[in-house]
Amino acid sequence: NAGVTQTPKFRILKIGQSMTLQCTQDMNHNYMYWYRQDPGMGLKLIYYSVGAGITDKGEVPNGYNVSRSTTEDFPLRLELAAPSQTSVYFCASRVSNTEAFFGQGTRLTVV
Amino acid sequence: QKEVEQDPGPLSVPEGAIVSLNCTYSNSAFQYFMWYRQYSRKGPELLMYTYSSGNKEDGRFTAQVDKSSKYISLFIRDSQPSDSATYLCAMSADAGGTSYGKLTFGQGTILTVHP
Repeated sequence: NAGVTQTPKFRILKIGQSMTLQCTQDMNHNYMYWYRQDPGMGLKLIYYSVGAGITDKGEVPNGYNVSRSTTEDFPLRLELAAPSQTSVYFCASRVSNTEAFFGQGTRLTVV
Repeated sequence: QKEVEQDPGPLSVPEGAIVSLNCTYSNSAFQYFMWYRQYSRKGPELLMYTYSSGNKEDGRFTAQVDKSSKYISLFIRDSQPSDSATYLCAMSADAGGTSYGKLTFGQGTILTVHP
C-alpha cells in the first residue's frame, strides 16, 4: 500500500496564481484532513472531510477550498495565492477514532 | 485560549537522559490521545496512541493520560541521538459526535539528544 500520497512535493507560486494540491489515500479511510505547518506553530487544520461529498472548515480555511468526490481523493485548492500561504501542507487520513496517517507534505512558496 | 498547549522548547538533553514531554488541553470531550514524531522535512509518524486515561508503554516510550487534570505526557527513557525530532501531541473527541473526528495538534516540541 502506498498510504497517503501528496503531489507535488515542492511548488513556487506567484502572487495571485492558483493551484491544486493533490492528496490520495489507498486505505479506504473515511476521514481526511488538510493541515498547514508553519515554523514553530504545529499543525493547523484547514479543512476536513468525513466521507465522499462531505467537507467542513477547520481552524484556518480562508483562501482555500476543498472537494471530496471520491473516498480516495481530497484535493486542496488555492485560488489567489498570497505570501501568507507560504507553508508546508500535510494531508492525513484515518478511520473513525484510530490513528491518522500523513503524507510527506507539499512545500509551497508564494512570491 | 488554545485547545491544546504544548511547550515548544527547544529541549536539548545528553544521550541516555530521560525526556518528559507534556501537553495540556481544555476540551473535556477529548478521548483519544496521540503522540507523533516528525523528523526534519518529513511527515508526522505515529509514536503512541491511547484511549481515555491511563498509561501505555512501548519499548523506551511511555504515554500517560490524566483526563481529570487534562494533561498528557510522553516519557522517553535512555534517549538516543536518533530520537532528535519534533514531537507533536494530538487529540480528538469521539468521531461519531459533533466534532466529526477533528484531530487537534499541539505546537510541537523540538528535541535534540546530543552524544
